[in-house]
Amino acid sequence: QKEVEQDPGPLSVPEGAIVSLNCTYSNSAFQYFMWYRQYSRKGPELLMYTYSSGNKEDGRFTAQVDKSSKYISLFIRDSQPSDSATYLCAMSGTGNQFYFGTGTSLTVIP
Amino acid sequence: EPEVTQTPSHQVTQMGQEVILRCVPISNHLYFYWYRQILGQKVEFLVSFYNNEISEKSEIFDDQFSVERPDGSNFTLKIRSTKLEDSAMYFCASSPTDSYGYTFGSGTRLTVV
Repeated sequence: QKEVEQDPGPLSVPEGAIVSLNCTYSNSAFQYFMWYRQYSRKGPELLMYTYSSGNKEDGRFTAQVDKSSKYISLFIRDSQPSDSATYLCAMSGTGNQFYFGTGTSLTVIP
Repeated sequence: EPEVTQTPSHQVTQMGQEVILRCVPISNHLYFYWYRQILGQKVEFLVSFYNNEISEKSEIFDDQFSVERPDGSNFTLKIRSTKLEDSAMYFCASSPTDSYGYTFGSGTRLTVV
């Protein structure tokens, strides 16, 4: 059973576009949801952290969690070429283990 | 900004050899983790460590793997007898609590030949 599903892309958008990245999951026990950004051959970098359902905004980034649909999203407004990276969703329940999606490769074209 | 430091950045080893991957977590963090990422695949959980003992481990973390916090700053992952399929990027991570997002290191690329 795949715990976390994420469309690998690749996704290519023009600079300034709004980007929507999504993950679905199967485990209803998940309650902590994170988005990481990973540049090539680097470790994942935490972007957003959300507990349970709802929205969270940080600058150009907005994370949404819909637990009833088991669906999470990351929106990037006014996308920049520096946003080009792989975006990983990750989630966990009561344990320490995080379950990652495969990552979506994003390219923002100047 | 505090960071998790991993050494070496790249290690090549022969099949059957032992390797030790080293990590220095963020100093006030209490929870430590190892994850791995085989090229083109998901980041996979290996083990979590808290209060000087393993708190959780995955099926991947078999008897060939061990972790240790030999002093107040280092956190190591040992692979006793490496196999070709152990070739991957190994990430160390730490967090201040067990429910907060991790800070990852830049990883050690392990190549088993």
